Amino acid sequence: AQSVSQHNHHVILSEAASLELGCNYSYGGTVNLFWYVQYPGQHLQLLLKYFSGDPLVKGIKGFEAEFIKSKFSFNLRKPSVQWSDTAEYFCAVNTGGFKTIFGAGTRLFVKA
Amino acid sequence: NAGVTQTPKFRVLKTGQSMTLLCAQDMNHEYMYWYRQDPGMGLRLIHYSVGEGTTAKGEVPDGYNVSRLKKQNFLLGLESAAPSQTSVYFCASSRVLLRAPTGELFFGEGSRLTVL
Repeated sequence: AQSVSQHNHHVILSEAASLELGCNYSYGGTVNLFWYVQYPGQHLQLLLKYFSGDPLVKGIKGFEAEFIKSKFSFNLRKPSVQWSDTAEYFCAVNTGGFKTIFGAGTRLFVKA
Repeated sequence: NAGVTQTPKFRVLKTGQSMTLLCAQDMNHEYMYWYRQDPGMGLRLIHYSVGEGTTAKGEVPDGYNVSRLKKQNFLLGLESAAPSQTSVYFCASSRVLLRAPTGELFFGEGSRLTVL
């Protein structure tokens, strides 16, 4: 069955630290990839997406993600986190059908 | 610029009661979805719709029913609520690119349901 794995469930960082959140999926075909962010008490918002082309994707608020097809990975990165990045981050994969599969989420807490 | 709107935002039910969650989108999207979000489990798809008058089961459909009588609305019903249905419910919609869903979802603000 198709699945999405996020390696870290909880991450605590200090401001200005670098961030990398891992995401791996299990599907051998063409995929559309997404990272969503959910700030406390809010709904999910799109952070960035990959459909095709350059595997290094830049999103909002300084986030970027790299699609490595050979590793089935789509890791999220940010060079320097801020307190306002405290949120839950979800990796999601769409394999071309109507179903988008979500990872379990990673809760990020940034200490001021 | 409403996007996807869900009502109600909060609801407390007793076991066995029924209720309906309403989702409305103003983006003319063909596809609409209902997800539930539980701690440590991400989002799981309950039901989805590929157009007016059509619905289909997702990953966790048991105990829920849906209807899509109008393109802009997608209703989620609980006929006999159970404590296991305590969750946060998110409605989402998506657009079509080259006649296929892109998978990019636009979410509502969520409905927190507690079943006692």
